Amino acid sequence: DTGVSQNPRHKITKRGQNVTFRCDPISEHNRLYWYRQTLGQGPEFLTYFQNEAQLEKSRLLSDRFSAERPKGSFSTLEIQRTEQGDSAMYLCASTPLWTGEGEQYFGPGTRLTVT
Amino acid sequence: SQQGEEDPQALSIQEGENATMNCSYKTSINNLQWYRQNSGRGLVHLILIRSNEREKHSGRLRVTLDTSKKSSSLLITASRAADTASYFCATEDYGGATNKLIFGTGTLLAVQP
Repeated sequence: DTGVSQNPRHKITKRGQNVTFRCDPISEHNRLYWYRQTLGQGPEFLTYFQNEAQLEKSRLLSDRFSAERPKGSFSTLEIQRTEQGDSAMYLCASTPLWTGEGEQYFGPGTRLTVT
Repeated sequence: SQQGEEDPQALSIQEGENATMNCSYKTSINNLQWYRQNSGRGLVHLILIRSNEREKHSGRLRVTLDTSKKSSSLLITASRAADTASYFCATEDYGGATNKLIFGTGTLLAVQP
């Protein structure tokens, strides 16, 4: 049973560069979430997909951020013109459409460092 | 934004002792969940308690929920060095359609062997 996978696990980039992260959810999980976690804090919600539809975006997701889930399977999160404040752990989670329990399954995260 | 505070922010105990951490939240809830995060990694779901439940057990974990005080506690009994991690409470976005989670600030638990 494969869990949620994320690539890359670590990314170091220079300020102003674009970066793209990938999340592969658990097979047949309709719901996919992106969260961002800064040092010493809990994760904060960024965006939500139900199948291929992006149904909610946090105000944390500025215009420089874009997320897609083109075929309702894997998802990508792109950050354009990165800033030092974008340095964080980016977490992806998935659940079936009907969990009955609310548990989310998290990937290992992508740690972004902007220099 | 974070859902609320967790208390204490950090806790250091000896192996075999019990660890208790507390979580307060701000809004009405459907359920409250606890997650564990080992250093620099993703989160692992530990236990979920519904809003109409007051206490729940799972192995060495005991969770209580007081909706009148908007608070929950997580007790880990007979702690082990492997329990060293950050622990987060999380609530689902009440009334929302996405079931997104709103996390607390976390408690960093260190269990000394």
